[in-house]
Amino acid sequence: QKEVEQNSGPLSVPEGAIASLNCTYSDRGSQSFFWYRQYSGKSPELIMFIYSNGDKEDGRFTAQLNKASQYVSLLIRDSQPSDSATYLCAVPNTGGFKTIFGAGTRLFVKA
Amino acid sequence: DARVTQTPRHKVTEMGQEVTMRCQPILGHNTVFWYRQTMMQGLELLAYFRNRAPLDDSGMPKDRFSAEMPDATLATLKIQPSEPRDSAVYFCASVPKGSGPNSPLHFGNGTRLTVT
Repeated sequence: QKEVEQNSGPLSVPEGAIASLNCTYSDRGSQSFFWYRQYSGKSPELIMFIYSNGDKEDGRFTAQLNKASQYVSLLIRDSQPSDSATYLCAVPNTGGFKTIFGAGTRLFVKA
Repeated sequence: DARVTQTPRHKVTEMGQEVTMRCQPILGHNTVFWYRQTMMQGLELLAYFRNRAPLDDSGMPKDRFSAEMPDATLATLKIQPSEPRDSAVYFCASVPKGSGPNSPLHFGNGTRLTVT
C-alpha cells in the first residue's frame, strides 16, 4: 500500500461544475495535509492546507479532512479552464519533515 | 517575491558523466529538500537537510548520488556516474527557519535532467 494514494485520473469536468479530488493516507500520526497544484512543466504550488477534521474553505476551494477514515479531499467549485492541472496531495509523516506526495490527479476543465 | 533558485534549468548529458545540480533556498529558510519527479514514480523525496546537516537521505541511491549543503545559501545534488534512468525533473524545496514539521514547501523551478 502506498503511503499517500490518489486516483491518477484524468478527471474531466465541464466549466462551472464542482471538481472533487480524493486522497487517502496510511500514517495515522500525520497531523497536516496539503494540496498542491502543478501546471504542466511548472513546479508544485500550495493551494490549501488543513490540520483539523472537517472542512476548510478558501475562495472556490474547500479541503475536507476525516482523520478516522484517513481521507482528505479537495473540492473546486465553479471550475474554470485555468484550473486544469495536476493536483498533488501531500502528507508529512508523523513528527517529521518527511512530506510524502501522492501520484497526483490530472484535472481537465472543459470550456 | 522570494523564490527558491535552481540551476541549471535544463541539463542534457551522456551516460557516465557527472551531473551537479544547485539550489539556493529562500533567505531565512534553513530546511532544504531534494525531490525527483518522473511520470512513473511521481514526486519522490531523495534527501533533506536542516541547518546544513543531513537529516534523511534514505530515498537516495547512495552508490551514485550525493547531496551536500556547503553553506546556508547553497545545496547541491550530484550524480556520478549518471544513467539514463536518472532522467527526471529534480526539485529543490525549502521551509523557513522556525517552522514546525507541518509546514508547506516552497519549491524551486526544477532542473530537467536528460541522460542519453
